[in-house]
Amino acid sequence: GAVVSQHPSRVICKSGTSVKIECRSLDFQATTMFWYRQFPKQSLMLMATSNEGSKATYEQGVEKDKFLINHASLTLSTLTVTSAHPEDSSFYICSARSGGLEAFFGQGTRLTVV
Amino acid sequence: KQEVTQIPAALSVPEGENLVLNCSFTDSAIYNLQWFRQDPGKGLTSLLLIQSSQREQTSGRLNASLDKSSGRSTLYIAASQPGDSATYLCAGSSYNFNKFYFGSGTKLNVKP
Repeated sequence: GAVVSQHPSRVICKSGTSVKIECRSLDFQATTMFWYRQFPKQSLMLMATSNEGSKATYEQGVEKDKFLINHASLTLSTLTVTSAHPEDSSFYICSARSGGLEAFFGQGTRLTVV
Repeated sequence: KQEVTQIPAALSVPEGENLVLNCSFTDSAIYNLQWFRQDPGKGLTSLLLIQSSQREQTSGRLNASLDKSSGRSTLYIAASQPGDSATYLCAGSSYNFNKFYFGSGTKLNVKP
């Protein structure tokens, strides 16, 4: 299957700082990318959907000013957690589609805000 | 709002057993269904995708089926192995492919 690379895999940051997470499709062009977060022992919750070159669509309850998503090219989307707080600590996973039906997922980023 | 339930939440079996994982949707209007595997602290690995025109898919020891009329899917694992130990997630997508609704997963432990 197609490969989606997510970086970093783990990050620890201080409260109040910003963190950027990258999601790259390595061997296909991703017209649509998705960002999810997963709390311990819970399932994935969709945060936002981004299409290349346009603004992301955020799910209800997700603060767009706090979780900045940029999908500037067909192979790269970034999620920036701004002014991070301990409650933002979570597992963030990106997913990409090339226009087909199957979704491919990155390896996830474990964010810990201290 | 679509809600996805996976039963059982956890399952522990001896090596070699055949097993069935269940997934159900409150809204049966699922267009595509995908089963994933997640290892601890890791991302998701796609196992099987059942497209809207299909009823089941098979890959090796895995077989997934989808009954759209009831909004239920099952994942059958034959001759389970310790390497199958992981959390299995099902997810259904809507007709416009933009939203995946995930279940909370079944944590499988296959004992040697």
